[in-house]
Order: sequence, then structure tokens, then C-alpha cells
Amino acid sequence: GAVVSQHPSRVICKSGTSVKIECRSLDFQATTMFWYRQFPKQSLMLMATSNEGSKATYEQGVEKDKFLINHASLTLSTLTVTSAHPEDSSFYICSARTLHPTVDYGYTFGSGTRLTVV
Amino acid sequence: AQSVSQHNHHVILSEAASLELGCNYSYGGTVNLFWYVQYPGQHLQLLLKYFSGDPLVKGIKGFEAEFIKSKFSFNLRKPSVQWSDTAEYFCAVNAQTGTASKLTFGTGTRLQVTL
Repeated sequence: GAVVSQHPSRVICKSGTSVKIECRSLDFQATTMFWYRQFPKQSLMLMATSNEGSKATYEQGVEKDKFLINHASLTLSTLTVTSAHPEDSSFYICSARTLHPTVDYGYTFGSGTRLTVV
Repeated sequence: AQSVSQHNHHVILSEAASLELGCNYSYGGTVNLFWYVQYPGQHLQLLLKYFSGDPLVKGIKGFEAEFIKSKFSFNLRKPSVQWSDTAEYFCAVNAQTGTASKLTFGTGTRLQVTL
């Protein structure tokens, strides 16, 4: 089945630094990837939709200059949290969707990245 | 815009009890519906999904869900829960508008199964 690999699983960084999170589709090509943020005991909130070869589409209220998304290939999307602050501490999850002509993988989720900004 | 409501925020059941978790969505067009489970410390896993066809969908681990279009509902059921079913359950919906169609999640239901 479809597998999405997300790295790192945990990262601690100092306030003001940038952190890059990678999301790879291992055995399929992901034309579209999604980035979510999950606060403790809350649901997943969509941050942005990443399309291969084009600019990401951000949800209302999400700062595109702070959360940089790059989807340079059909198997890799990255989320960079720039100038991180403690309020950016959260659980970030990526998801990939692809519609193969004969198989609909639906949505496959990465294992998430726990970001702690100190 | 699509939205999803999960009315049960926290459910506590004894082992072997039956489970039904409510999910209602708001969207005027055709939708795909999903239930995901998140075990403590783990990532989201797909329990089941509905795209079309038989509105009664069977998923993994004995879970099933019924799509009732007239009620905009997609409730999750399991006849007899186990302690290992303790987890967070999320209902999600996406509008069938192409490959970029995004998933919208409900707020989740925390299920606690006691021995």
C-alpha cells in the first residue's frame, strides 16, 4: 500500500531558528500533499495544500512567509518553519493523495513531527 | 465550504459494549467520507472510507460505518469494543473536486475502553 515517510519525528529548536520537515511518498507519486497542524487533544487543522511544480495554497490565517512549502518533485514536499517561536510548537502532519487511473490511494498520512521551540 | 461535526467528544465504554460514534457533515455536493483512528503516540490510520456504492462500509478491526445521504451522516459502529480500541477517532470529508480536494476533519472523539 501507499506509504508516506515524514522526518524528523521530533525536533527541538531554539527560538528564531528555522526547521525543515520532509514528507516523502515512498512507493507512489503524490501530485498533491497536504500539511496539517494538530494541537494537543485537538483535531487536525489544514495549513496548506502543496502541488508538485506550483505554489502551495495556504488556508486562511496561515502565514505563507513563515511556513514555507516546497513540492519540487512528485515524491517530496517540505515544510520549513522560519524564525520559529514557542507558539509554533505543535505536531505537524503531512498527507499525500494521488489518483492513479486504477487505484485510489485516498489519503495517506505521515507519522508526524513533534516540534518544540525553546 | 465543507464542515464536519462529531458530537461525542469523549466516550467511555466497558469492554464488549457496542459503539456508535456520530459524524455529520455539511456540503451540498458529492463527498468522500473517511474515518481515521489515532492510537496514543501513533499516526493516523485509515479505518474505512466511502466513495460510492453500498452505503454500509466495512473497515478494519471490525468497524463499519453507514452513509445516510438524507441525514448527511456517516456514523461509525462496532458491535463489541476491546480495550485496544482506546484511541482518538476522526471523521473526515472531502468534496470530490479533483486531486487537490482537501480533507476536512471533525474535532475527534476520544474513546476510552475500560476492562
